[in-house]
Amino acid sequence: EPEVTQTPSHQVTQMGQEVILRCVPISNHLYFYWYRQILGQKVEFLVSFYNNEISEKSEIFDDQFSVERPDGSNFTLKIRSTKLEDSAMYFCASRHRSGTGAPRSDEQFFGPGTRLTVL
Amino acid sequence: KNQVEQSPQSLIILEGKNCTLQCNYTVSPFSNLRWYKQDTGRGPVSLTIMTFSENTKSNGRYTATLDADTKQSSLHITASQLSDSASYICVVSVPGGYNKLIFGAGTRLAVHP
Repeated sequence: EPEVTQTPSHQVTQMGQEVILRCVPISNHLYFYWYRQILGQKVEFLVSFYNNEISEKSEIFDDQFSVERPDGSNFTLKIRSTKLEDSAMYFCASRHRSGTGAPRSDEQFFGPGTRLTVL
Repeated sequence: KNQVEQSPQSLIILEGKNCTLQCNYTVSPFSNLRWYKQDTGRGPVSLTIMTFSENTKSNGRYTATLDADTKQSSLHITASQLSDSASYICVVSVPGGYNKLIFGAGTRLAVHP
């Protein structure tokens, strides 16, 4: 069964360093998402991406964040200058196609996450 | 403000017992309501998805209900197993092509032998 994969599973970095989190969405999916979950808190939406551009982003997704789909298979999240408060689990998700009213077309499939620790 | 609230925050039950988790939401309008299971350190996995016109949806031992009038949903787990120990998250989808999800904080369920 196809699944979303993410690498690395755990990333440790120093404050102020740049990190790139990588995701390989399910191959025929068109919509891509990043979410984060700070330890003990709820999952929060960061950004959605469609047709090679950001379609929606949250307040969390400031100028320090960027996303890219460099080669048609990978989907990356870059944090330019990490802060302590960026420590969290980062989940990538992908979805096949636009909602048609049928629930299954809206289903987002999540990857296993990357745990980012900023020291 | 669009919010999803869940109760209880945590729950301990004995293996074989049933339990019901609650979700209240203020998201309006909404596209659909989902329940996800999240094992510790893993990504959420979908259990059920319901549109506003559906009242109930089952997936094996999981049964979700939805009352769109009162904006409440529940997830009922029957004959619990040790592997059911996880967080169960209620998620509401906002209408629109980009399918933005609003997550509840989850109920942490522990099933003890």
